[in-house]
Amino acid sequence: RKEVEQDPGPFNVPEGATVAFNCTYSNSASQSFFWYRQDCRKEPKLLMSVYSSGNEDGRFTAQLNRASQYISLLIRDSKLSDSATYLCVVNSGTYKYIFGTGTRLKVLA
Amino acid sequence: GAGVSQSPSNKVTEKGKDVELRCDPISGHTALYWYRQSLGQGLEFLIYFQGNSAPDKSGLPSDRFSAERTGGSVSTLTIQRTQQEDSAVYLCASSRDSIEAFFGQGTRLTVV
Repeated sequence: RKEVEQDPGPFNVPEGATVAFNCTYSNSASQSFFWYRQDCRKEPKLLMSVYSSGNEDGRFTAQLNRASQYISLLIRDSKLSDSATYLCVVNSGTYKYIFGTGTRLKVLA
Repeated sequence: GAGVSQSPSNKVTEKGKDVELRCDPISGHTALYWYRQSLGQGLEFLIYFQGNSAPDKSGLPSDRFSAERTGGSVSTLTIQRTQQEDSAVYLCASSRDSIEAFFGQGTRLTVV
């Protein structure tokens, strides 16, 4: 079983739609969680950290469910510019970031 | 300020040749990572450096791969006797606090 698993998609959604991605992790000792965004042929960039209490940044909401070992990312009012691959990242409290394979989102006009 | 810089941005090499990939981390970042991303795949951890500590080499796929970090700054990833399956984008990242890893734009390696 992979340490971090994501649905690869693609998720094709119309502009203005709400879309949600889930990511599961296998190491119950994991302590830090992140969502990174990667545009085509570009490097990954941090989108947001995921806190136990959940956090929101504009149209983006991230939540953590430790009991079920998953994190989620919700994007409201999708924009064309949101089209990208969203990478789930887990850190077990040391230094090693474990990346999921990513979920591809395409927002359609 | 300057971000993580990697060179070359693209490298085409013949099977069996050695290649060196370079990474200049953000100044002041003590942690440096190498990852590999194959087409349609996630990021695969290769190696981690933290300050003067011994590196974590647990992700290196074979003994053809090695890396060093001189003076706690610049890092070089060396692949000896390259194989076609080594073709991938090699990404370097640096971090100050394990909160955010900043990535370079990567080196796209093609082995022909």
